[in-house]
Amino acid sequence: DGGITQSPKYLFRKEGQNVTLSCEQNLNHDAMYWYRQDPGQGLRLIYYSQIVNDFQKGDIAEGYSVSREKKESFPLTVTSAQKNPTAFYLCASSIGLPSSGNTIYFGEGSWLTVV
Amino acid sequence: AQRVTQPEKLLSVFKGAPVELKCNYSYSGSPELFWYVQYSRQRLQLLLRHISRESIKGFTADLNKGETSFHLKKPFAQEEDSAMYYCALRNTDKLIFGTGTRLQVFP
Repeated sequence: DGGITQSPKYLFRKEGQNVTLSCEQNLNHDAMYWYRQDPGQGLRLIYYSQIVNDFQKGDIAEGYSVSREKKESFPLTVTSAQKNPTAFYLCASSIGLPSSGNTIYFGEGSWLTVV
Repeated sequence: AQRVTQPEKLLSVFKGAPVELKCNYSYSGSPELFWYVQYSRQRLQLLLRHISRESIKGFTADLNKGETSFHLKKPFAQEEDSAMYYCALRNTDKLIFGTGTRLQVFP
């Protein structure tokens, strides 16, 4: 299966602390994405990156930050400014952007619980 | 605004019964639609896309521009079809997902 690896799978943090979720892919994909999945709300796009050193805000970027220093890595930081951080986070990647007909592949996800 | 609506949170059928998972969309341009599936303990994966006009695992989906729908259908459900299904719409460089429908197929 491999391809996209997210870590950790489960993470608990105290309120007010920043936390970084890791996403690594060995598929040589240019584009990477972070989605948040909440019950009854489907998947919502947080950030995406078309290429190294470039990224764009998605629909719910407030309280999150990302970096794309390497092609294979796209870590997501959930900051203390995020009001409802407890959620399931999905990382994804594709060869190119969906506008070129490319399929998006997903990681297994990370559960973040903030107490 | 671009939107994907899946009106059913849960759909329960018996094995062998026909299945239709509903998906409606709103999009100002020419839509490109997908169905993604998440089986228990597996990652979310692409099931099919409308431009391919393919049948995957017995599922088909036809784009109906007049009704702005992209319903997923299968004539005879199997227990292994039990999963979470998401309809998605491509909006330029992003995918917009619906809220998902959980399909339960009982023996």
